[in-house]
Amino acid sequence: DVKVTQSSRYLVKRTGEKVFLECVQDMDHENMFWYRQDPGLGLRLIYFSYDVKMKEKGDIPEGYSVSREKKERFSLILESASTNQTSMYLCASSPRGRQFFGPGTRLTVL
Amino acid sequence: TQLLEQSPQFLSIQEGENLTVYCNSSSVFSSLQWYRQEPGEGPVLLVTVVTGGEVKKLKRLTFQFGDARKDSSLHITAAQPGDTGLYLCAWRTSNYQLIWGAGTKLIIKP
Repeated sequence: DVKVTQSSRYLVKRTGEKVFLECVQDMDHENMFWYRQDPGLGLRLIYFSYDVKMKEKGDIPEGYSVSREKKERFSLILESASTNQTSMYLCASSPRGRQFFGPGTRLTVL
Repeated sequence: TQLLEQSPQFLSIQEGENLTVYCNSSSVFSSLQWYRQEPGEGPVLLVTVVTGGEVKKLKRLTFQFGDARKDSSLHITAAQPGDTGLYLCAWRTSNYQLIWGAGTKLIIKP
């Protein structure tokens, strides 16, 4: 069965902290994505990667960075967390077209 | 302004009723995907429609792609509490990214 896992389901951090969100897929997919989901706004793409060490900015990359050192792992980094980054973060992987999602990380920044 | 407009934003109905939700755009889609997201989980693909006028059925769910490929609808017959969730439509771009609608939040009351 297809599996995308995210390191935490719930996370609470303080303003200014560095935050790492990890995503691992076991399907050997080339493409991986990080989204944030806020009520009424749908899924907004933060960054995506189409290969190891490759990354592309999505629609809202400000305040975020990513790392993809291995094909199966795609990390999202909040260099200095702010309260407006409180959100649900979803990771997805895709061979092409269809995307497979992890369960999400609900991040609260106090 | 969202590229994909979903309506209604929220729908709460009794078990056994029928309902239709919509996904509209001024653009022509090469294909359109429908996902369902249950509380606390990531979205899961339900169906992909590709051809104008196409109708696909998934048990009590009927998906239709408009003749001009600018709109799509999802009809649920005899809704059940297990249908509760957020229904999202998404358009696949040429580089395998997805553009998302904001979703319809559906609640089916027993």
